[in-house]
Amino acid sequence: KAGVTQTPRYLIKTRGQQVTLSCSPISGHRSVSWYQQTPGQGLQFLFEYFSETQRNKGNFPGRFSGRQFSNSRSEMNVSTLELGDSALYLCASSRQGSNEKLFFGSGTQLSVL
Amino acid sequence: DQQVKQNSPSLSVQEGRISILNCDYTNSMFDYFLWYKKYPAEGPTFLISISSIKDKNEDGRFTVFLNKSAKHLSLHIVPSQPGDSAVYFCAASRDSNYQLIWGAGTKLIIKP
Repeated sequence: KAGVTQTPRYLIKTRGQQVTLSCSPISGHRSVSWYQQTPGQGLQFLFEYFSETQRNKGNFPGRFSGRQFSNSRSEMNVSTLELGDSALYLCASSRQGSNEKLFFGSGTQLSVL
Repeated sequence: DQQVKQNSPSLSVQEGRISILNCDYTNSMFDYFLWYKKYPAEGPTFLISISSIKDKNEDGRFTVFLNKSAKHLSLHIVPSQPGDSAVYFCAASRDSNYQLIWGAGTKLIIKP
C-alpha cells in the first residue's frame, strides 16, 4: 500500500509570493491534516480536512488555507509569504480523523528568501 | 496553554542501556496517547500507543507506561540502539472533534 505522498519535496520562494503544496493520502483514508514544523519547534497543527470539508483549524493566519478534493487529495496554499513561513510542512492521513493514529508524508521543506 | 509537555528537550543514553522519555499532560479528558519518532527532514512515524483503560503497553523493545493519577506517561526503550537516535514526540487525543495535541519533542541521542 502506498504511503502518504507530498509534493514538491523542496521549494524556494521569495517574500510576497504564494505557494501551493500537495498531499495524496493513503488509499481509503478520508482525513488529511496539515502541520508546520520549524527548527526546534514541535508540530503546529494547521487544519484538518475530512470529506472535502474543513473540520478543525489551528491558530494560523488566513494566509494559510487548504482544500480537499473528492479523491481525498489535499492542497495547502500560503499567500503573501513571509520569512517566518520557512518550515517543514507535513501532511498526515488517517481513516476517520485527526485524533487517531496518523500516517505522515516526508514533508515539503519550504524556504522563503 | 501547553496541554502536553515534554520537559526534556534532549536526552543522551549509552548504547545498550535503557532510554526513558517522559511526557506530562494537563487535560483529564485525554483518553488515547501516542508516541512518534522523527528523523530530520522526514515525517514522524508511529511507534506505540496506549489507551487510558490500560497502564502499560509493550511492543518489542518499546514499552509505554501511563499513570493517570499523575497525568504522566513514559516511553521506555530497552536496549537502546544507535538507530533510535531521533526526536520523539508524544501526542494525546480526546474525541473525534479534536485533533491530536502534541508535545514539543525530546531529542534522543544514543552514544556508541
